[in-house]
Amino acid sequence: AQSVTQLGSHVSVSEGALVLLRCNYSSSVPPYLFWYVQYPNQGLQLLLKYTSAATLVKGINGFEAEFKKSETSFHLTKPSAHMSDAAEYFCAVSVPRGNNRLAFGKGNQVVVIP
Amino acid sequence: NAGVMQNPRHLVRRRGQEARLRCSPMKGHSHVYWYRQLPEEGLKFMVYLQKENIIDESGMPKERFSAEFPKEGPSILRIQQVVRGDSAAYFCASSPTGTFEKLFFGSGTQLSVL
Repeated sequence: AQSVTQLGSHVSVSEGALVLLRCNYSSSVPPYLFWYVQYPNQGLQLLLKYTSAATLVKGINGFEAEFKKSETSFHLTKPSAHMSDAAEYFCAVSVPRGNNRLAFGKGNQVVVIP
Repeated sequence: NAGVMQNPRHLVRRRGQEARLRCSPMKGHSHVYWYRQLPEEGLKFMVYLQKENIIDESGMPKERFSAEFPKEGPSILRIQQVVRGDSAAYFCASSPTGTFEKLFFGSGTQLSVL
């Protein structure tokens, strides 16, 4: 079954600095990959997704992620952190025409330091 | 177009009581997924339903938990004889196609068992 690994449950970043959240996946077939953001007391909101088109994917709020098959990675980046980026971020993987589940990582709680 | 609606937002139950969580999918969406989120954990798949059918319940505990998605009305996740370990955030997501490229999440129900 497919799975993702996110290391470092809490990530602190200074306002204006680079945001880098790492995600590595495991899948026996080419996967679809997703990043979601969750603000306090809210549901998950899709940031961006990779579905076998361009390997560099741009999402909302200035985030982007690059699919690297050789590294089985899908790291999320944003060049300059904003206070409003403080939230929890989840990487997720699914298999096209596969089972019915979206498998999530444990998440990264991002804290932005003024 | 209203988003995925879940109610109640917060539900408090005593051990042994029943909990009923409701999810109204987005208009035109006939595929519903339920996920559970425990503290410090990512979302875990529970069940996938289409109108009047359970497609995949492999993520649901064998006892006390059940789900339905009737022809009319919201999807219901029912937990009988709740225990403290059931305390979690329960999220519903809906999709028009059964694929994850167009998956929308509700704001969740926080269940607290006293």
